[in-house]
Amino acid sequence: SQQGEEDPQALSIQEGENATMNCSYKTSINNLQWYRQNSGRGLVHLILIRSNEREKHSGRLRVTLDTSKKSSSLLITASRAADTASYFCATVSPSTGANSKLTFGKGITLSVRP
Amino acid sequence: DTGVSQDPRHKITKRGQNVTFRCDPISEHNRLYWYRQTLGQGPEFLTYFQNEAQLEKSRLLSDRFSAERPKGSFSTLEIQRTEQGDSAMYLCASTIGGGRVETQYFGPGTRLLVL
Repeated sequence: SQQGEEDPQALSIQEGENATMNCSYKTSINNLQWYRQNSGRGLVHLILIRSNEREKHSGRLRVTLDTSKKSSSLLITASRAADTASYFCATVSPSTGANSKLTFGKGITLSVRP
Repeated sequence: DTGVSQDPRHKITKRGQNVTFRCDPISEHNRLYWYRQTLGQGPEFLTYFQNEAQLEKSRLLSDRFSAERPKGSFSTLEIQRTEQGDSAMYLCASTIGGGRVETQYFGPGTRLLVL
């Protein structure tokens, strides 16, 4: 079953603009991760934020986590055409124990127009 | 490149046939995961190995599915008597394990189409 729900489902922006994607989840988490998937390809890990962290940065990426609202957001600044992809949030729950399996949302399709 | 590799990348089969997929994880990674992704959905967990031991199986993994990791290195996922509902992308991921926070590294996936 899917844990997270991303919002919006699809986003189209102009190159150079910022893209903000949101993720909500249902149960408590150890960490939340964002992945990118180019059409028909495997997933690429972007960034991980632990449950006791509120914000993290990596290059043009900024992720926030609000555990009280069970939500996260991913901001991509100064977007590029190469950022066109599907983006997924995935959570690791404390109940998984040693198996840190990921529970994914349905994803957001981002299109960046040149 | 020492990333996760999967073979084949694409497989077309007829309903009722058996198929087998292979995953080669990053060499020092002792944990290996299989996920399935259908069109328009996020990946869903199927099963997990720590070294050669299969420690968890999802209820998505019916008795037609079997996975092995015989020497704690590569893994195979076999689907017997395939059904059209098995059509999906099958993704493998690996991680080094042992730590509290782990990043999973994904392979390119095997896309299965059952006719």
